[in-house]
Amino acid sequence: AQSVTQPDIHITVSEGASLELRCNYSYGATPYLFWYVQSPGQGLQLLLKYFSGDTLVQGIKGFEAEFKRSQSSFNLRKPSVHWSDAAEYFCAVGGAFGNEKLTFGTGTRLTIIP
Amino acid sequence: GAVVSQHPSWVICKSGTSVKIECRSLDFQATTMFWYRQFPKQSLMLMATSNEGSKATYEQGVEKDKFLINHASLTLSTLTVTSAHPEDSSFYICSAIGQGADEQYFGPGTRLTVT
Repeated sequence: AQSVTQPDIHITVSEGASLELRCNYSYGATPYLFWYVQSPGQGLQLLLKYFSGDTLVQGIKGFEAEFKRSQSSFNLRKPSVHWSDAAEYFCAVGGAFGNEKLTFGTGTRLTIIP
Repeated sequence: GAVVSQHPSWVICKSGTSVKIECRSLDFQATTMFWYRQFPKQSLMLMATSNEGSKATYEQGVEKDKFLINHASLTLSTLTVTSAHPEDSSFYICSAIGQGADEQYFGPGTRLTVT
């Protein structure tokens, strides 16, 4: 069965500081990996996705993520956070076909302090 | 980019009544739609997968007679919560994907409050 673990429930970062959100996955085949962001009361916005190829993936809003097969990880990073980055972040894993269901992690809530 | 809408965005209903939530793909044909449920400060849990013209496939533990899903066209899927109870109060999110596509597009969600 596929699963996603986001070990950090809540992270607080100073504005301008760097950020890394952790994600570990379990999947029996080649995974499709995603990071989504959710602002309060809002739906999900895709930040980036990894299917194959270059293991360092660039996304929107200055985010990037690195796929490490040996560690079953797909950590999200940003060099300098902005106050508007405060939100809930979800890592998700899906199958080789886009119409397969996604399994989400429990999310990491990001708080930005001035 | 692909847009998915949900209606209503927020609904309050009385216990025992039924409520219907619509999910529409506005600029593409969605061969598959997914319905998720999200409890406060928790992750999204998949409820069911629906393919156009077919019966929905429900995840284990989801009551199919309580959460009726219809995907009658390539742009519309509906979730009807029947005989709603306060424990059904939640944030319901749909997503849609087109034929051959590799990315689900999410709607903005519907907050259901059952009193």
